[in-house]
Amino acid sequence: KAGVTQTPRYLIKTRGQQVTLSCSPISGHRSVSWYQQTPGQGLQFLFEYFSETQRNKGNFPGRFSGRQFSNSRSEMNVSTLELGDSALYLCASSPRSLRTDTQYFGPGTRLTVL
Amino acid sequence: AQTVTQSQPEMSVQEAETVTLSCTYDTSESDYYLFWYKQPPSRQMILVIRQEAYKQQNATENRFSVNFQKAAKSFSLKISDSQLGDAAMYFCAYRTRIKAAVNKLTFGGGTRVLVKP
Repeated sequence: KAGVTQTPRYLIKTRGQQVTLSCSPISGHRSVSWYQQTPGQGLQFLFEYFSETQRNKGNFPGRFSGRQFSNSRSEMNVSTLELGDSALYLCASSPRSLRTDTQYFGPGTRLTVL
Repeated sequence: AQTVTQSQPEMSVQEAETVTLSCTYDTSESDYYLFWYKQPPSRQMILVIRQEAYKQQNATENRFSVNFQKAAKSFSLKISDSQLGDAAMYFCAYRTRIKAAVNKLTFGGGTRVLVKP
């Protein structure tokens, strides 16, 4: 099975712009979670999508949003970018079953805001 | 809210030797998962090992094993016969099993493992 894929791998934006990141989960996985990784704050949960619905949300401002499509692919959007949004954004997929719910991560998208 | 603490920012080990990484967590829940993930410089987070809290037996995966002490809320990772490829950041993570709808990992701050040849 192919792993979790994320595009693009690198992105450079300027303050005030918006950005969209994409995540394709492992085939058969219905849940996609997003995490932000920074040197200062570590790994923080952004949100989770399951069956095209946001199920959980972390403590991030409304500038961070996402969606999930019927094929389970997910996009994350950040509007009005700030310097502090520079981070590695990781996406993880899981089967979302009761027996196993391990999250498998993609390679990440490195976002730099200038 | 659950918290995960990794008290060792960096650990160094000689190739072929053994190293143990510490992780403690705080939760009021009785049923949960604990994970160790490895993040090499290439950045891809890789699952190393997983433990269900209801299982008393410690999980093992080849050279990786855990010491799960539920009462002490401790979950350490032992890497035996260390190899150069083990050099990476290691993250301990917690996920509730009681609240099935909450599919969220809470991570510790990470421990960097250096392997000396």
